[in-house]
Amino acid sequence: DVKVTQSSRYLVKRTGEKVFLECVQDMDHENMFWYRQDPGLGLRLIYFSYDVKMKEKGDIPEGYSVSREKKERFSLILESASTNQTSMYLCASSAPGQSSYNEQFFGPGTRLTVL
Amino acid sequence: TQLLEQSPQFLSIQEGENLTVYCNSSSVFSSLQWYRQEPGEGPVLLVTVVTGGEVKKLKRLTFQFGDARKDSSLHITAAQPGDTGLYLCAGGVGGSEKLVFGKGTKLTVNP
Repeated sequence: DVKVTQSSRYLVKRTGEKVFLECVQDMDHENMFWYRQDPGLGLRLIYFSYDVKMKEKGDIPEGYSVSREKKERFSLILESASTNQTSMYLCASSAPGQSSYNEQFFGPGTRLTVL
Repeated sequence: TQLLEQSPQFLSIQEGENLTVYCNSSSVFSSLQWYRQEPGEGPVLLVTVVTGGEVKKLKRLTFQFGDARKDSSLHITAAQPGDTGLYLCAGGVGGSEKLVFGKGTKLTVNP
């Protein structure tokens, strides 16, 4: 079974802090994704990585950056946290679409609160 | 921009009732996934359909992909409280590694 883990289930940070969210997958997947999920807005893609050191902006990249130094690990960075970044953050991974029909496997999520 | 519209947005029913959730688009998708998400957890993949007209069954859940691969439905027979959750549909687009997600249907099954 694919296992995607996220470093924290719950996180409380203060405005202006630098925040790191980490995601690790154990299935040797090439693709990794970071989403945020807010009531009424659904899942919104922040960033996507299709290979080590490769990244692509999603729909809402402003205020975020990412790092992928190893295939299994994808980090989301909030350079200076703001209250409007309070949200549920979900990491996902997938094998290349041709072989996997784009099936994504999600971690348990990190509920981030910025005060 | 490809969109997936899910309906209804909210559904509250009694245990034992049947229900259908819809996922519609004007765009063609190469694949369609359904996920279930419980409160405070990440989405869990239930099924993938890839062929127009395809029907898949998972115990009391029946998934159908439209003939034109633009829409899908999820039917639950004799719903149980354990079916409670947010149901998300997601479409794969040929040539892209990304998925297009619907906003979800929040299902509550009351005992």
